[in-house]
Amino acid sequence: DIQMTQSPSSLSASVGDRVTITCRASQSISSYLNWYQQKPGKAPNLLIYAASSLQSGVPSRFSGSGSGTDFTLTISSLQPEDFATYYCQQSYSTPRTFGQGTKLEIK
Amino acid sequence: QVQLVQSGAEVKKPGASVKVSCKVSGYTLTELFMHWVRQAPGKGLEWMGGFDPEDGETIYAQKFQGRVTMTEDTSTDTAYMELSSLRSEDTAVYYCATESRQQLVNYYFYYMDVWGKGTTVTVSS
Repeated sequence: DIQMTQSPSSLSASVGDRVTITCRASQSISSYLNWYQQKPGKAPNLLIYAASSLQSGVPSRFSGSGSGTDFTLTISSLQPEDFATYYCQQSYSTPRTFGQGTKLEIK
Repeated sequence: QVQLVQSGAEVKKPGASVKVSCKVSGYTLTELFMHWVRQAPGKGLEWMGGFDPEDGETIYAQKFQGRVTMTEDTSTDTAYMELSSLRSEDTAVYYCATESRQQLVNYYFYYMDVWGKGTTVTVSS
């Protein structure tokens, strides 16, 4: 199975900050990497697919990059509604696997 | 627009089974690739299984092999996930999610873009 490792596990930031979350795969997954946002008590919401494609309806302050084993999710200017937990997930092979999550908190 | 409506919360005793349903509207189930993901309290997302379009069959995570069964009733556009031999560690919110695919350049990319609201399953004696 492909292991996905996110860093950091938690992050404190302020509104307006630029934030980057990293995800590393245990083997090359090309660009088969998705990012999700989850708020407490809610289902995950797809932000980015294929490493860098923005899902319809997602604000342009979210962007993704990377290929192979190393990927990043960047939020260019944090908004109050962005404080949530973020997960990466590989769709290169089955079983699908998720990172452990990065909790983004208000500083 | 695909929508997924899941069944209500369940409380089960250790050793029992639970069957969670996920009704599709807006599309027919045969057009979708259904997956199941769970989340224990305060923990991350855990993929349980789903349809692999590359292999054309439903694949289960090894952790759940022998205990989980995912089925579909195409007459009612409803997907089911049944988990048996429940233990306290199975207490979690269970989500169904459809996996879409998009062709970019010469490859298909897969992503879970529609999720149900989740079904809470509590296992307690």
